[in-house]
Amino acid sequence: DVKVTQSSRYLVKRTGEKVFLECVQDMDHENMFWYRQDPGLGLRLIYFSYDVKMKEKGDIPEGYSVSREKKERFSLILESASTNQTSMYLCASSLREPTNNEQFFGPGTRLTVL
Amino acid sequence: GENVEQHPSTLSVQEGDSAVIKCTYSDSASNYFPWYKQELGKRPQLIIDIRSNVGEKKDQRIAVTLNKTAKHFSLHITETQPEDSAVYFCAASINDYKLSFGAGTTVTVRA
Repeated sequence: DVKVTQSSRYLVKRTGEKVFLECVQDMDHENMFWYRQDPGLGLRLIYFSYDVKMKEKGDIPEGYSVSREKKERFSLILESASTNQTSMYLCASSLREPTNNEQFFGPGTRLTVL
Repeated sequence: GENVEQHPSTLSVQEGDSAVIKCTYSDSASNYFPWYKQELGKRPQLIIDIRSNVGEKKDQRIAVTLNKTAKHFSLHITETQPEDSAVYFCAASINDYKLSFGAGTTVTVRA
């Protein structure tokens, strides 16, 4: 059973703070993803990683960075949090196999920036 | 990049009736089209997917159709039940792993 866990379910931060969101998966998946989910906008890809130390920008990378030092862990970093980054953040992972690439999601972190 | 539009944004159906959600995509190179279901307070989960070499796929009460020429695909749920109430997201992908999601459809099944 695939497990994707995220470090916090709820997080409240102040404008300008540096924020770390952690994601861990236990199925040896090559691909990992960070999305933000906002009402009426669906799931928007921030960054993804297809291997350790590899990363690619998604559709909305501005204001975010990521780190993948180990295969099982993918971190999202908000260098200087702003109120427009208040959102639900979802992590996901998948295999790299073209015919078996279902994305498994974590429970989400609801971030509020005051 | 790929742009996926999803309609309707909300859908209310009587229990036992069918529900249809439609999505269009912009990049003709897209070849993988999954559908995810997100129940209230839970994480999205894959319910069905289709690849561009197939026109239709069915799994019990859910089915997906793909029209490559028109660049649209649809989710059909028959004999809806209360547990079908959720937000449904369509997605499209060029390379099998980077997904572009639609905005979501909130389906409510009335008892």
